[in-house]
Amino acid sequence: KAGVTQTPRYLIKTRGQQVTLSCSPISGHRSVSWYQQTPGQGLQFLFEYFSETQRNKGNFPGRFSGRQFSNSRSEMNVSTLELGDSALYLCASSSDRSNTEAFFGQGTRLTVV
Amino acid sequence: KNEVEQSPQNLTAQEGEFITINCSYSVGISALHWLQQHPGGGIVSLFMLSSGKKKHGRLIATINIQEKHSSLHITASHPRDSAVYICAVNYNNDMRFGAGTRLTVKP
Repeated sequence: KAGVTQTPRYLIKTRGQQVTLSCSPISGHRSVSWYQQTPGQGLQFLFEYFSETQRNKGNFPGRFSGRQFSNSRSEMNVSTLELGDSALYLCASSSDRSNTEAFFGQGTRLTVV
Repeated sequence: KNEVEQSPQNLTAQEGEFITINCSYSVGISALHWLQQHPGGGIVSLFMLSSGKKKHGRLIATINIQEKHSSLHITASHPRDSAVYICAVNYNNDMRFGAGTRLTVKP
């Protein structure tokens, strides 16, 4: 069974640009969650999608958005990039939205210059 | 104050030693996870617990719901166990994370 796949693995963008990251969950998983990891703040929850609906959202500005497609693949978008958005963005998939084991992707390392 | 506190922040051990990493949380949770992150960023889920104790090979995880505390133990540690270990809890339909424990096992 293929694991969670995130693309791209590395990305360099300029301040003010926007970026889209992709996450393909494990086949059959309907829940996809996104997380940001920075050296200063550690891991923080961005949002969770289940069956194409955003079910939960963390405490991030509206520049951070996401969506989920009918095949459970998910994308997250960050608009008007700031230097502080430089981070490792991780997604995790699980078979249900609560209390099931989460499987993480390798992450996308975003650098904003 | 972070809802999830881990200790120690850093841990250095000799190969073969028994290791314990602790996690305390201050909120009502539905489950607790122990995660392992190697350099390069990929995260592996080691355990998900809602009560009691679980064991996978040399790894043991325990949780005490009343005391809001969990421990991760590694028996007969090996250099390949060197990684960051992160405690995370399911709280209010999202996940909250500890700051992580950086473990280095020397041969």
